[in-house]
Amino acid sequence: SQQGEEDPQALSIQEGENATMNCSYKTSINNLQWYRQNSGRGLVHLILIRSNEREKHSGRLRVTLDTSKKSSSLLITASRAADTASYFCATDSATDKLIFGTGTRLQVFP
Amino acid sequence: SQTIHQWPATLVQPVGSPLSLECTVEGTSNPNLYWYRQAAGRGLQLLFYSVGIGQISSEVPQNLSASRPQDRQFILSSKKLLLSDSGFYLCAWRGRSSYNEQFFGPGTRLTVL
Repeated sequence: SQQGEEDPQALSIQEGENATMNCSYKTSINNLQWYRQNSGRGLVHLILIRSNEREKHSGRLRVTLDTSKKSSSLLITASRAADTASYFCATDSATDKLIFGTGTRLQVFP
Repeated sequence: SQTIHQWPATLVQPVGSPLSLECTVEGTSNPNLYWYRQAAGRGLQLLFYSVGIGQISSEVPQNLSASRPQDRQFILSSKKLLLSDSGFYLCAWRGRSSYNEQFFGPGTRLTVL
């Protein structure tokens, strides 16, 4: 079964607004990664946060990790129509495989 | 630079027919390789992964199988397709470091009729 669960399942916002997606997981992890998937395409890696990190930034992306609550959040600031996609968290427990969450579908309206 | 190829891009097959999806990676050696299936609007389900030639780990019991005949080639097969095998199949590779990301192929859309 999938370890990660994302919330919300779907999110609709206007351009310029911020989008926040949350991910919860069940077991201890080595790191947590966020991926983006445009409709009908493969996934693209966005950012990785290690288990000993609490926050990480990359451009308009901000990721937080709370290992005590087994949760992470992805914030996209000043969203653009091109940010429309599905976003997945994936946890790495150092077992040669990633466990992906169920995803959040983000729609950004111009 | 590394690239990952999958083919075919789309496939329509009748129930009971065989399946062979191929994935190849260029520009890296000894990668971990993965097959995922994604139902419409859903997350990714890990089907198989491989840490080396001939080494296959199966995550979900089903009528699919995987093989790795060469270091950078990963094949997903079935002898007889079921309706429930329809979906979007993604291949991915990953380097050996535990802090490496996975790189995904473009996917194969399989429809079983």
